[in-house]
Amino acid sequence: ILNVEQSPQSLHVQEGDSTNFTCSFPSSNFYALHWYRWETAKSPEALFVMTLNGDEKKKGRISATLNTKEGYSYLYIKGSQPEDSATYLCAFWEAGNNRKLIWGLGTSLAVNP
Amino acid sequence: NAGVTQTPKFQVLKTGQSMTLQCAQDMNHNSMYWYRQDPGMGLRLIYYSASEGTTDKGEVPNGYNVSRLNKREFSLRLESAAPSQTSVYFCASSALALGAGGYTFGSGTRLTVV
Repeated sequence: ILNVEQSPQSLHVQEGDSTNFTCSFPSSNFYALHWYRWETAKSPEALFVMTLNGDEKKKGRISATLNTKEGYSYLYIKGSQPEDSATYLCAFWEAGNNRKLIWGLGTSLAVNP
Repeated sequence: NAGVTQTPKFQVLKTGQSMTLQCAQDMNHNSMYWYRQDPGMGLRLIYYSASEGTTDKGEVPNGYNVSRLNKREFSLRLESAAPSQTSVYFCASSALALGAGGYTFGSGTRLTVV
């Protein structure tokens, strides 16, 4: 059974803090790793699709790194703002498995003003 | 605005009733998906359509049927609703082959079966 684990489950930070969280996935048969941001009462929104070991991607204050050999990805938020409050999901795509992404349960981030 | 449109947003059904959830995308995406989201569980794939004219089962297809009506539309049907199908349902689409590109999600349908 393939597992995607995200940690921590939830996080509370103060406005201006920088934070990061982890997505762990199987290190074999890697194809792609997705990150999504999911605000309450809205739908998930794609942040990054990462495919190469060592990839680093950035969108504004949010960035992500990828290590496919050891099976983890970090998502960083620099200078958190209240509008960053959301659940951040990662999803793993196994090479050869053309049926589905395997989703983590997410990290719930709350940024206090 | 371009995106994925799901209807209805909310629905209450009695056990045994049937209904169809509608999904349409206007981004010319090839692949479309139906997910359900339950507390404490990750998004689970019900059915997907890699391209117009094809549909395949995901990990939790029992009790559901789908139709890829055309490139834009992908509907999910519950023939005889059961309380276990109480969930939030999301439709999504992607431009590239499965998993290669990010997904665009609809706003969700909150379904309660009593």
